[in-house]
Amino acid sequence: AQTVTQSQPEMSVQEAETVTLSCTYDTSESDYYLFWYKQPPSRQMILVIRQEAYKQQNATENRFSVNFQKAAKSFSLKISDSQLGDAAMYFCAYRSHNTDKLIFGTGTRLQVFP
Amino acid sequence: EPEVTQTPSHQVTQMGQEVILRCVPISNHLYFYWYRQILGQKVEFLVSFYNNEISEKSEIFDDQFSVERPDGSNFTLKIRSTKLEDSAMYFCASSDFMASGLQETQYFGPGTRLLVL
Repeated sequence: AQTVTQSQPEMSVQEAETVTLSCTYDTSESDYYLFWYKQPPSRQMILVIRQEAYKQQNATENRFSVNFQKAAKSFSLKISDSQLGDAAMYFCAYRSHNTDKLIFGTGTRLQVFP
Repeated sequence: EPEVTQTPSHQVTQMGQEVILRCVPISNHLYFYWYRQILGQKVEFLVSFYNNEISEKSEIFDDQFSVERPDGSNFTLKIRSTKLEDSAMYFCASSDFMASGLQETQYFGPGTRLLVL
């Protein structure tokens, strides 16, 4: 069974600095999708970024980028120029190409200090 | 920008009562999902729904749960006889097809916080 592990329960960063959130996963499949979702205090899950496993190029969305290491089964999220509004719970998620369900990690709570 | 909406935002119920949680998915989406998040725990998949039938369900989704798309816009989750352990945040999500025929990214609603007393 696939699993997603986020080993950092909490992280903090100074405003305008860069922070990297870690995620590893376990799967025997070669075709899958990886996601980072943000959950602010309002509790709504917001998609941050998505990566298809067959793509070698790392996904980027403005200040958010990933470091996807398929062989190492690692999918870290880098937030550049951190802003106060980035403070939230961040969930890494995995989805196999042949299933509907997302499998989530336990989350990393990010604090951003002014 | 289109959004998934959910009602109510909060629901308090007595153990043994039936609850219906409502969701309006993004209008052109074809896949619908329910997830739950017990306080302090992981978000867990419950069920997916496509073409008016359940596509996939988890072991959590037992006979106490049912889903329905009663009209062209709403998607509901019914819990027939609530238990204390059903207290959680329930998220609805929807997705579209990619050109390849695979599902697109799942977009989540704001959630319904259910408290069973």
